[in-house]
Amino acid sequence: DTAVSQTPKYLVTQMGNDKSIKCEQNLGHDTMYWYKQDSKKFLKIMFSYNNKELIINETVPNRFSPKSPDKAHLNLHINSLELGDSAVYFCASSRETGVRAEAFFGQGTRLTVV
Amino acid sequence: AQSVTQPDIHITVSEGASLELRCNYSYGATPYLFWYVQSPGQGLQLLLKYFSGDTLVQGIKGFEAEFKRSQSSFNLRKPSVHWSDAAEYFCAVGAEGNEKLTFGTGTRLTIIP
Repeated sequence: DTAVSQTPKYLVTQMGNDKSIKCEQNLGHDTMYWYKQDSKKFLKIMFSYNNKELIINETVPNRFSPKSPDKAHLNLHINSLELGDSAVYFCASSRETGVRAEAFFGQGTRLTVV
Repeated sequence: AQSVTQPDIHITVSEGASLELRCNYSYGATPYLFWYVQSPGQGLQLLLKYFSGDTLVQGIKGFEAEFKRSQSSFNLRKPSVHWSDAAEYFCAVGAEGNEKLTFGTGTRLTIIP
């Protein structure tokens, strides 16, 4: 059973489109995250939710909007996609907040904007 | 602000040989340090972590890391690598009161027969 699952695994889309990436965790964790990994493998946190409440919101364009319908799901919606949005997006979850908590990552969604 | 440097972008090691991956951090107080591994097409998996106490920490898959405050380092080691260890390895630093981990840019490990 996959602990943190993301769909789709690959996403190719044209500039200007709107797309969503879904994430679900079956670990019973309270905290979920979205990370972005760029072409240089640099991994940076974008958002963090705890029990459906936003607790970290890094400096990302407001075209990116996370939505947490319940604590097992954290979806990422991206409006007006740009070439620079091409990256691998990772969803993760942890039992609690704070950097001491071990994060469990999904396998990533490779987004390519053309 | 905290930062992490992994000086080696790519390392090639023969199967059965020992391994050391370097990680240097910058942070004023006592850091929380982590090593994650990313296998091809997979998400990151925690190998080990250091918060306090014994500076030599053991992790999964036979890995260990040593925290050296004087050198601001947290190098990852394994005495004998296996072909399945081929992956990307990320060092990360965090701190109490700071909700965010800062990751290094990773070291890609290739294993040759």
